[in-house]
Amino acid sequence: DAGVIQSPRHEVTEMGQEVTLRCKPISGHNSLFWYRQTMMRGLELLIYFNNNVPIDDSGMPEDRFSAKMPNASFSTLKIQPSEPRDSAVYFCASSTGGGAGELFFGEGSRLTVL
Amino acid sequence: AQSVTQLGSHVSVSEGALVLLRCNYSSSVPPYLFWYVQYPNQGLQLLLKYTTGATLVKGINGFEAEFKKSETSFHLTKPSAHMSDAAEYFCAVGSQGGSEKLVFGKGTKLTVNP
Repeated sequence: DAGVIQSPRHEVTEMGQEVTLRCKPISGHNSLFWYRQTMMRGLELLIYFNNNVPIDDSGMPEDRFSAKMPNASFSTLKIQPSEPRDSAVYFCASSTGGGAGELFFGEGSRLTVL
Repeated sequence: AQSVTQLGSHVSVSEGALVLLRCNYSSSVPPYLFWYVQYPNQGLQLLLKYTTGATLVKGINGFEAEFKKSETSFHLTKPSAHMSDAAEYFCAVGSQGGSEKLVFGKGTKLTVNP
């Protein structure tokens, strides 16, 4: 079975540009999570969805960040405009839900904002 | 609020030696506890988890962890390190009966010396 698929794997952009990161969760999983990983702050949860509905977006740093899940097989994380401090690895993860379930992580999207 | 503290951002052991990675958590509700491993340029993978019941939990690759409520700890151990264990290890806490989101520690990078 395919795991969580993220694209792009690497993105280099200039400050002020729009960035869109994409995620395809594992089929049948009904929870999806976006995490950001940096050396300074470690892994931070940005937002998570259950059955395509945003449940907790308290980790979204500011209005420049937005996330959508239009259907069960696709989610996007958008940054507009991007800033150098947004440089990080962004992970998408999915699970079957229920709280004690295992999170299955994608390989991440490494974003560099110049 | 929940939090996780991993003592030691870097741990170095010799091949064949005991591995001990420390994790302490804070949670106002009964916790779910997890250990994940991250190999370079990859996403996180579940090593083991504690939900309820037996406090000694066995995971993949010979790792185990013990939930000690009185010490609010969930340390990860392996009797004999192998070169392939070199990776970064993350402890995480979730809440029973509550939100699905996990709070991760900042990680411990394990180096195994020949």
